[in-house]
Amino acid sequence: GNSVTQMEGPVTLSEEAFLTINCTYTATGYPSLFWYVQYPGEGLQLLLKATKADDKGSNKGFEATYRKETTSFHLEKGSVQVSDSAVYFCALSEYTGGFKTIFGAGTRLFVKA
Amino acid sequence: DAGITQSPRHKVTETGTPVTLRCHQTENHRYMYWYRQDPGHGLRLIHYSYGVKDTDKGEVSDGYSVSRSKTEDFLLTLESATSSQTSVYFCAIREGASLVEQYFGPGTRLTVT
Repeated sequence: GNSVTQMEGPVTLSEEAFLTINCTYTATGYPSLFWYVQYPGEGLQLLLKATKADDKGSNKGFEATYRKETTSFHLEKGSVQVSDSAVYFCALSEYTGGFKTIFGAGTRLFVKA
Repeated sequence: DAGITQSPRHKVTETGTPVTLRCHQTENHRYMYWYRQDPGHGLRLIHYSYGVKDTDKGEVSDGYSVSRSKTEDFLLTLESATSSQTSVYFCAIREGASLVEQYFGPGTRLTVT
Protein backbone atom coordinates (compact mmCIF):
# COMPACT_ATOMS: atom_id res chain seq x y z
CA GLY A 1 0.00 0.00 0.00
CA ASN A 2 0.89 3.67 -0.11
CA SER A 3 3.30 5.02 2.48
CA VAL A 4 5.32 8.09 3.39
CA THR A 5 8.69 8.09 5.13
CA GLN A 6 10.30 11.25 6.43
CA MET A 7 13.46 11.91 8.37
CA GLU A 8 13.28 11.58 12.11
CA GLY A 9 13.69 14.61 14.26
CA PRO A 10 14.16 16.68 16.06
CA VAL A 11 16.12 18.89 13.74
CA THR A 12 17.84 21.80 15.49
CA LEU A 13 19.18 24.73 13.48
CA SER A 14 20.42 28.22 14.11
CA GLU A 15 18.54 31.15 12.63
CA GLU A 16 19.39 31.78 8.95
CA ALA A 17 20.63 28.21 8.42
CA PHE A 18 19.58 26.11 5.42
CA LEU A 19 16.83 23.56 6.04
CA THR A 20 16.25 20.22 4.35
CA ILE A 21 13.71 17.69 5.58
CA ASN A 22 13.74 14.50 3.53
CA CYS A 23 10.57 12.75 2.44
CA THR A 24 10.16 9.66 0.26
CA TYR A 25 6.98 7.88 -0.71
CA THR A 26 5.61 4.70 -2.21
CA ALA A 27 2.43 4.80 -4.24
CA THR A 28 0.65 2.62 -6.74
CA GLY A 29 -0.51 5.45 -8.99
CA TYR A 30 0.13 9.16 -9.42
CA PRO A 31 -0.47 10.85 -6.08
CA SER A 32 -0.47 14.49 -5.15
CA LEU A 33 2.18 15.39 -2.57
CA PHE A 34 1.98 17.84 0.32
CA TRP A 35 3.82 19.39 3.19
CA TYR A 36 1.78 20.40 6.23
CA VAL A 37 3.01 22.39 9.23
CA GLN A 38 1.73 22.18 12.79
CA TYR A 39 2.47 24.91 15.32
CA PRO A 40 2.12 24.10 19.04
CA GLY A 41 -1.48 23.60 20.14
CA GLU A 42 -2.87 23.95 16.63
CA GLY A 43 -4.13 21.79 13.79
CA LEU A 44 -2.19 21.07 10.62
CA GLN A 45 -1.95 23.79 8.00
CA LEU A 46 -1.26 23.14 4.34
CA LEU A 47 2.17 24.59 3.56
CA LEU A 48 2.64 23.61 -0.08
CA LYS A 49 1.63 21.02 -2.63
CA ALA A 50 2.61 19.49 -5.98
CA THR A 51 0.19 17.51 -8.09
CA LYS A 52 2.40 15.99 -10.79
CA ALA A 53 5.99 15.00 -11.49
CA ASP A 54 8.53 17.86 -11.70
CA ASP A 55 6.08 20.34 -10.16
CA LYS A 56 7.60 22.62 -7.54
CA GLY A 57 5.44 23.72 -4.65
CA SER A 58 6.44 26.86 -2.78
CA ASN A 59 5.12 29.04 0.02
CA LYS A 60 6.61 31.37 2.67
CA GLY A 61 10.16 30.66 1.43
CA PHE A 62 9.71 26.87 1.59
CA GLU A 63 10.03 24.75 -1.55
CA ALA A 64 9.67 21.11 -2.52
CA THR A 65 9.93 19.42 -5.94
CA TYR A 66 7.98 16.31 -6.90
CA ARG A 67 10.64 13.82 -8.07
CA LYS A 68 9.03 10.75 -9.56
CA GLU A 69 12.31 9.08 -10.47
CA THR A 70 13.49 9.11 -6.84
CA THR A 71 9.96 9.07 -5.31
CA SER A 72 10.92 12.04 -3.17
CA PHE A 73 9.48 15.38 -2.08
CA HIS A 74 12.13 16.99 0.12
CA LEU A 75 11.28 20.25 1.92
CA GLU A 76 13.85 23.07 1.75
CA LYS A 77 14.20 26.63 2.97
CA GLY A 78 17.22 28.82 2.40
CA SER A 79 17.18 30.75 5.68
CA VAL A 80 15.07 29.59 8.62
CA GLN A 81 13.64 31.84 11.30
CA VAL A 82 12.74 31.17 14.92
CA SER A 83 9.08 31.40 13.88
CA ASP A 84 9.55 28.35 11.63
CA SER A 85 9.86 26.13 14.70
CA ALA A 86 7.08 23.58 14.30
CA VAL A 87 6.35 20.00 13.28
CA TYR A 88 6.38 19.33 9.53
CA PHE A 89 4.42 16.49 7.93
CA CYS A 90 4.93 15.08 4.46
CA ALA A 91 1.79 13.53 2.94
CA LEU A 92 0.38 12.02 -0.22
CA SER A 93 -3.17 11.94 -1.48
CA GLU A 94 -4.57 9.62 -4.08
CA TYR A 95 -8.04 8.64 -5.22
CA THR A 96 -8.40 4.89 -4.64
CA GLY A 97 -12.14 4.43 -4.49
CA GLY A 98 -12.21 7.44 -2.18
CA PHE A 99 -9.96 10.38 -1.41
CA LYS A 100 -7.47 9.40 1.28
CA THR A 101 -4.32 11.05 2.58
CA ILE A 102 -1.34 9.20 4.03
CA PHE A 103 0.88 11.15 6.44
CA GLY A 104 4.49 10.70 7.46
CA ALA A 105 5.33 10.56 11.17
CA GLY A 106 6.33 14.23 11.29
CA THR A 107 9.65 16.01 11.84
CA ARG A 108 10.01 18.51 14.65
CA LEU A 109 12.13 21.56 13.83
CA PHE A 110 13.70 23.79 16.47
CA VAL A 111 15.28 27.04 15.34
CA LYS A 112 17.56 28.84 17.80
CA ALA A 113 18.10 32.59 17.79
CA ASP B 1 -9.84 29.32 7.29
CA ALA B 2 -12.15 26.48 6.25
CA GLY B 3 -14.65 27.24 9.01
CA ILE B 4 -14.04 24.07 11.03
CA THR B 5 -14.67 23.92 14.75
CA GLN B 6 -14.31 21.00 17.14
CA SER B 7 -15.89 20.45 20.52
CA PRO B 8 -14.91 19.90 23.19
CA ARG B 9 -11.31 21.08 22.84
CA HIS B 10 -10.20 19.14 25.90
CA LYS B 11 -11.79 16.21 27.70
CA VAL B 12 -10.80 13.86 30.47
CA THR B 13 -12.91 10.77 30.89
CA GLU B 14 -12.77 7.42 32.65
CA THR B 15 -12.23 4.02 31.08
CA GLY B 16 -15.49 2.43 29.97
CA THR B 17 -17.48 5.64 29.52
CA PRO B 18 -18.92 6.72 26.15
CA VAL B 19 -17.51 9.86 24.57
CA THR B 20 -18.71 11.87 21.57
CA LEU B 21 -16.60 14.42 19.77
CA ARG B 22 -18.17 16.91 17.39
CA CYS B 23 -16.84 18.45 14.21
CA HIS B 24 -18.78 21.35 12.72
CA GLN B 25 -18.17 23.08 9.40
CA THR B 26 -19.96 26.03 7.91
CA GLU B 27 -19.03 25.84 4.21
CA ASN B 28 -21.04 22.87 2.94
CA HIS B 29 -18.04 20.61 2.33
CA ARG B 30 -18.98 17.13 1.19
CA TYR B 31 -15.95 15.21 2.50
CA MET B 32 -15.14 15.13 6.21
CA TYR B 33 -12.53 13.08 8.10
CA TRP B 34 -11.56 12.07 11.62
CA TYR B 35 -7.88 11.43 12.41
CA ARG B 36 -5.97 10.67 15.56
CA GLN B 37 -2.48 11.98 16.19
CA ASP B 38 -0.01 10.06 18.32
CA PRO B 39 3.74 10.54 18.75
CA GLY B 40 5.70 8.66 16.10
CA HIS B 41 2.62 7.86 14.01
CA GLY B 42 1.74 11.10 12.31
CA LEU B 43 -1.98 11.24 11.62
CA ARG B 44 -4.00 8.08 11.13
CA LEU B 45 -7.44 7.98 9.57
CA ILE B 46 -10.26 6.70 11.79
CA HIS B 47 -13.38 7.24 9.64
CA TYR B 48 -14.46 9.50 6.86
CA SER B 49 -17.67 10.69 5.25
CA TYR B 50 -18.46 11.49 1.64
CA GLY B 51 -21.95 12.81 2.26
CA VAL B 52 -24.89 12.78 4.65
CA LYS B 53 -25.30 9.25 6.02
CA ASP B 54 -22.38 8.05 3.84
CA THR B 55 -19.38 6.98 5.89
CA ASP B 56 -16.51 4.51 5.62
CA LYS B 57 -13.75 3.10 7.81
CA GLY B 58 -10.15 4.19 7.91
CA GLU B 59 -7.07 2.31 9.05
CA VAL B 60 -7.72 2.55 12.83
CA SER B 61 -11.52 2.34 13.09
CA ASP B 62 -11.83 -0.35 15.80
CA GLY B 63 -13.56 1.05 18.89
CA TYR B 64 -14.93 4.08 17.05
CA SER B 65 -18.18 4.87 15.28
CA VAL B 66 -19.31 7.95 13.37
CA SER B 67 -22.49 9.60 12.25
CA ARG B 68 -23.35 12.33 9.81
CA SER B 69 -27.01 13.28 9.81
CA LYS B 70 -26.38 16.83 8.55
CA THR B 71 -23.80 18.16 6.09
CA GLU B 72 -22.28 20.44 8.69
CA ASP B 73 -21.78 17.97 11.55
CA PHE B 74 -19.61 14.84 11.74
CA LEU B 75 -19.66 13.06 15.10
CA LEU B 76 -17.06 10.61 16.40
CA THR B 77 -18.15 8.28 19.21
CA LEU B 78 -16.04 6.10 21.44
CA GLU B 79 -18.59 3.60 22.69
CA SER B 80 -16.50 2.53 25.68
CA ALA B 81 -13.33 4.56 26.03
CA THR B 82 -10.01 2.81 26.69
CA SER B 83 -6.63 4.22 27.71
CA SER B 84 -5.27 3.39 24.23
CA GLN B 85 -7.69 5.99 22.85
CA THR B 86 -5.93 8.79 24.70
CA SER B 87 -4.88 10.98 21.80
CA VAL B 88 -5.41 14.23 19.97
CA TYR B 89 -8.27 14.00 17.49
CA PHE B 90 -8.46 16.15 14.38
CA CYS B 91 -11.33 16.71 12.04
CA ALA B 92 -10.62 17.69 8.44
CA ILE B 93 -12.47 18.60 5.28
CA ARG B 94 -11.40 18.22 1.71
CA GLU B 95 -11.68 20.98 -0.85
CA GLY B 96 -10.03 22.48 -3.92
CA ALA B 97 -10.77 22.08 -7.59
CA SER B 98 -9.41 18.54 -7.61
CA LEU B 99 -10.30 17.81 -3.98
CA VAL B 100 -6.71 16.97 -3.08
CA GLU B 101 -6.30 19.61 -0.35
CA GLN B 102 -7.28 18.99 3.26
CA TYR B 103 -7.94 21.58 5.95
CA PHE B 104 -7.94 20.76 9.62
CA GLY B 105 -9.81 21.80 12.72
CA PRO B 106 -7.98 22.86 15.91
CA GLY B 107 -8.11 19.41 17.51
CA THR B 108 -9.57 17.79 20.64
CA ARG B 109 -7.22 16.48 23.30
CA LEU B 110 -8.81 13.41 24.91
CA THR B 111 -7.41 11.74 28.00
CA VAL B 112 -8.84 8.43 29.16
CA THR B 113 -7.89 7.59 32.75
